[in-house]
Amino acid sequence: AQKVTQAQTEISVVEKEDVTLDCVYETRDTTYYLFWYKQPPSGELVFLIRRNSFDEQNEISGRYSWNFQKSTSSFNFTITASQVVDSAVYFCASRGRMDTGRRALTFGSGTRLQVQP
Amino acid sequence: DSGVTQTPKHLITATGQRVTLRCSPRSGDLSVYWYQQSLDQGLQFLIQYYNGEERAKGNILERFSAQQFPDLHSELNLSSLELGDSALYFCASSVEGRGVDEQFFGPGTRLTVL
Repeated sequence: AQKVTQAQTEISVVEKEDVTLDCVYETRDTTYYLFWYKQPPSGELVFLIRRNSFDEQNEISGRYSWNFQKSTSSFNFTITASQVVDSAVYFCASRGRMDTGRRALTFGSGTRLQVQP
Repeated sequence: DSGVTQTPKHLITATGQRVTLRCSPRSGDLSVYWYQQSLDQGLQFLIQYYNGEERAKGNILERFSAQQFPDLHSELNLSSLELGDSALYFCASSVEGRGVDEQFFGPGTRLTVL
């Protein structure tokens, strides 16, 4: 079974600060996939990124960056120069390989990020 | 806009009643997932359909059922509703069949059971 832990329940920062959201995962699969989703106050879930277990390259997309480390089973998400519009709940999720039947996402409990102006 | 549509947006009903939530996947997506987001359970997977057939089950109660129709839209039926069924119900769709595919979520249906 997959398990995702987001230990930070809520984080509050001031605009323009950098912030890192932690995600620790557990899996017995050798191939797995990790995701980040954003849930703004409006309630929808917005896909941000997918990372494959066999690709440990970090990724940067604008102000967002992701650090995947298999050695520590972590997939952390950093927002640089945070903005008020970044205020949302962020979910880390995992999923098994397509052919194992474990296609559904297992979500962490989410981290609520509040960016103050 | 993810391309996944869900109706209704809000639903208020009473205990013991039955409701149907509807989901239309993105064009071309064959797979539909249903998730429940509640305060105490968080986001959890309920059930998946692929091209009309049930493919996987998660923590879905026996009072709940789902189906996917030939036009690929899906319905989640919740019966004998209890107060604890109040939650945000999401539908997600993905293409699948080509390795791992991202799941794109609809806006959700907020169910309130009074």
